[in-house]
Amino acid sequence: RKEVEQDPGPFNVPEGATVAFNCTYSNSASQSFFWYRQDCRKEPKLLMSVYSSGNEDGRFTAQLNRASQYISLLIRDSKLSDSATYLCVVNSNQFYFGTGTSLTVIP
Amino acid sequence: GAGVSQSPSNKVTEKGKDVELRCDPISGHTALYWYRQSLGQGLEFLIYFQGNSAPDKSGLPSDRFSAERTGGSVSTLTIQRTQQEDSAVYLCASSLRGRGQETQYFGPGTRLLVL
Repeated sequence: RKEVEQDPGPFNVPEGATVAFNCTYSNSASQSFFWYRQDCRKEPKLLMSVYSSGNEDGRFTAQLNRASQYISLLIRDSKLSDSATYLCVVNSNQFYFGTGTSLTVIP
Repeated sequence: GAGVSQSPSNKVTEKGKDVELRCDPISGHTALYWYRQSLGQGLEFLIYFQGNSAPDKSGLPSDRFSAERTGGSVSTLTIQRTQQEDSAVYLCASSLRGRGQETQYFGPGTRLLVL
């Protein structure tokens, strides 16, 4: 079983839509959690860390459910510039990256 | 300030040749990571350096892969006797202290193609 699993998508949504991604992890002892964004042929960049109480940064909301071992990312009011691949990252003494979820926001 | 830099940005080599990939981390960052990303795949951890500690080499796929970090700064990833399946983007990242609740900053990667 993979350490981190994500639905690869693709998600194609219209501008202004709300879209949510989930990610599951296998190691219950995992310590920290992140969402990274990767544009085509570019390096990953941190989007946001995920805290136990959930956290919000503008249009982006991240949540952690330790009992069910999943994290989520919610994007509200999608913009064209949100089109990218979103990587779920879990740290359990080593950083494990998901394969990413592809998002395309359509005009 | 300067981010993580990697060189070369692209490398084409013939099967069986050795290649060296270089990473310059952000100044002052004690932790350095190497990852590999194949087309359509997630990032695969290769090796991790933290300060003067022994590196975590648990992700290296074979003994053809090795890495060094000299003076706690620049790192070189060496692939000996390259194979076609080594073709991928090799990404380097650095962070301030190491594993934990902190951000990794990635370099632009080296795109390796083995013919």
